[in-house]
Amino acid sequence: DTEVTQTPKHLVMGMTNKKSLKCEQHMGHRAMYWYKQKAKKPPELMFVYSYEKLSINESVPSRFSPECPNSSLLNLHLHALQPEDSALYLCASSQDRVLGYEQYFGPGTRLTVT
Amino acid sequence: SQQGEEDPQALSIQEGENATMNCSYKTSINNLQWYRQNSGRGLVHLILIRSNEREKHSGRLRVTLDTSKKSSSLLITASRAADTASYFCAPASNAGGTSYGKLTFGQGTILTVHP
Repeated sequence: DTEVTQTPKHLVMGMTNKKSLKCEQHMGHRAMYWYKQKAKKPPELMFVYSYEKLSINESVPSRFSPECPNSSLLNLHLHALQPEDSALYLCASSQDRVLGYEQYFGPGTRLTVT
Repeated sequence: SQQGEEDPQALSIQEGENATMNCSYKTSINNLQWYRQNSGRGLVHLILIRSNEREKHSGRLRVTLDTSKKSSSLLITASRAADTASYFCAPASNAGGTSYGKLTFGQGTILTVHP
């Protein structure tokens, strides 16, 4: 199984809502990532988890809160978002965070903040 | 920033033709990866070339790496309409001198292959 799954596929939320994005992989990968991608732009790294511990936070606003409950699951909790946070949120995993491993991406969650 | 810069930004060709995309980067790398993204979907890893390699093949894909010029190219031969997608290069470099690293994606090349 070389698949990374993400739910939901689409999410519309108001600025006062709290919602969560979910990501799952069963490849035994020990590194998991959240990226944000705006239209016609490349993905931008948000967070990296390595062995279930947060190892990189790319100065992401605190209204985005990542969580790694176990080695297969990665969540992104959203609270008090702004319209400019509307984007495609991509989850990825790799065998390890050490250089030299390719990343496997999920299909993404299309988020719209109204 | 280690972000790759890609050229051209957009490429439009006919089926059967070859497509070449170029990527330049600024500092030393451990490896460079190429990814494809179909419209609004997740990225798919195409090929990884290490800094001590000069050329790598995978099916109809050929990637070259010139570390002296800090550049890489992706060649897709005998293109098909299904190759229509955005293609990103991602130089991978050490973070803070450790063996850990991160990918920084270039702006991408939008390839359109007309049937």
